[in-house]
Amino acid sequence: AQSVTQLDSHVSVSEGTPVLLRCNYSSSYSPSLFWYVQHPNKGLQLLLKYTSAATLVKGINGFEAEFKKSETSFHLTKPSAHMSDAAEYFCVVSSGNTGKLIFGQGTTLQVKP
Amino acid sequence: GAVVSQHPSWVICKSGTSVKIECRSLDFQATTMFWYRQFPKQSLMLMATSNEGSKATYEQGVEKDKFLINHASLTLSTLTVTSAHPEDSSFYICSARPGGRTEAFFGQGTRLTVV
Repeated sequence: AQSVTQLDSHVSVSEGTPVLLRCNYSSSYSPSLFWYVQHPNKGLQLLLKYTSAATLVKGINGFEAEFKKSETSFHLTKPSAHMSDAAEYFCVVSSGNTGKLIFGQGTTLQVKP
Repeated sequence: GAVVSQHPSWVICKSGTSVKIECRSLDFQATTMFWYRQFPKQSLMLMATSNEGSKATYEQGVEKDKFLINHASLTLSTLTVTSAHPEDSSFYICSARPGGRTEAFFGQGTRLTVV
């Protein structure tokens, strides 16, 4: 069975400082992993995806994530937080060819001025 | 990128009435769409998989007679909340995945409030 665990329910950073949102996954085969962002009362927007190509994945808005098989991790990073980054972030694994997505619990990112 | 449009973005209805939510894939065809429910400050919960031209597949614990799903075309799936009650108030989100793509695209969500 596949699962995703986001290690922090809430992360608070100051504007201009680095962001780290942690995600661990469990999968019996090579997974497809995603990070999505959700602003209040909005749908989800894809930040980036990993699908067994390069382990360091670059996404939109300066976000990156590194797939580490040995650590079963897919942490999301950004060198410098912006106020507009404040939102809910979801780490997601795709369940094979069915298209079903398995969501982590979400991490709320707060950015302080 | 692919676009999924959901309508309405919010709706208020009286208890006992039914509400229909539409999910459209604007620039691709989707044989499968997914419907999620999201409670405040919680993650998304998959309700059902909508299959074009056939019956939807519901997740365990989701009442199929309460949440009617119709996927009559390759670009449109609808979710009807029947005989709505206040406990059905929630944020409903749909998604679809274009053929050949691994990622899903989400609608804007629908905030349903039952009074």
